[in-house]
Amino acid sequence: EVQLVESGGGLVQPGGSLRLSCAASGFTFRSYWMHWVRQAPGKGLVWVSRINSDGSSTSYADSVKGRFTISRDNAKNTLYVQMNSLRAEDTAVYYCARGIYSGSYSSSFDHWGQGTLVTVSP
Amino acid sequence: QSALTQPASVSGSPGQSITISCIGTSSDVGNYNLVSWYQQHPGKAPKVMIYEDSKRPAGVSNRFSGSKSGNTASLTISGLQAEDEADYYCCSYAGSSTLVFGGGTKLTVL
Repeated sequence: EVQLVESGGGLVQPGGSLRLSCAASGFTFRSYWMHWVRQAPGKGLVWVSRINSDGSSTSYADSVKGRFTISRDNAKNTLYVQMNSLRAEDTAVYYCARGIYSGSYSSSFDHWGQGTLVTVSP
Repeated sequence: QSALTQPASVSGSPGQSITISCIGTSSDVGNYNLVSWYQQHPGKAPKVMIYEDSKRPAGVSNRFSGSKSGNTASLTISGLQAEDEADYYCCSYAGSSTLVFGGGTKLTVL
């Protein structure tokens, strides 16, 4: 069974940093592109970032470019996002999601984690 | 990376059909056959219902269908059921390996 389990969320002050993790199991993690998607409380989904299967290529939404860094450790089956210079508007549940295709870019996600809440507040 | 435009809410009675629109631009929806639709129940993670404009993943009811015309994608749910009540989001490829979501549509089954 495919499982994605996020962790690392919490309360952080504006300007602070946080690293989220997403532990993957039940599939060949190194074969899939992975994404981060966030959802502010009571708001819609927003795509944040993606990384290819071997970690050599990344993309970001304009709103986080230069502040967030996505990475992965295929030996540990874990996806990360390092979030720096956090702002109040980064407050959201952060989901990791798996691309639908193995071995190539996928614009759709077939499995999601349960999400981890990040709150940016003084 | 402007959000795609969806109606805030739609409603229908059990057994009826409804359609949710998703309006983009020639840089996203209209330029690629890569629109997905997600269903999200309160407090739950999203679930893919349609991908690549009109493909249905295994296990998704054939009451769900996707289509596209120009810069507008649509999700149609036929034979509405109570369990279809949820939020629905469209998502499109927007070039350079980036994606853009719609603002979401709340579906109420009357």
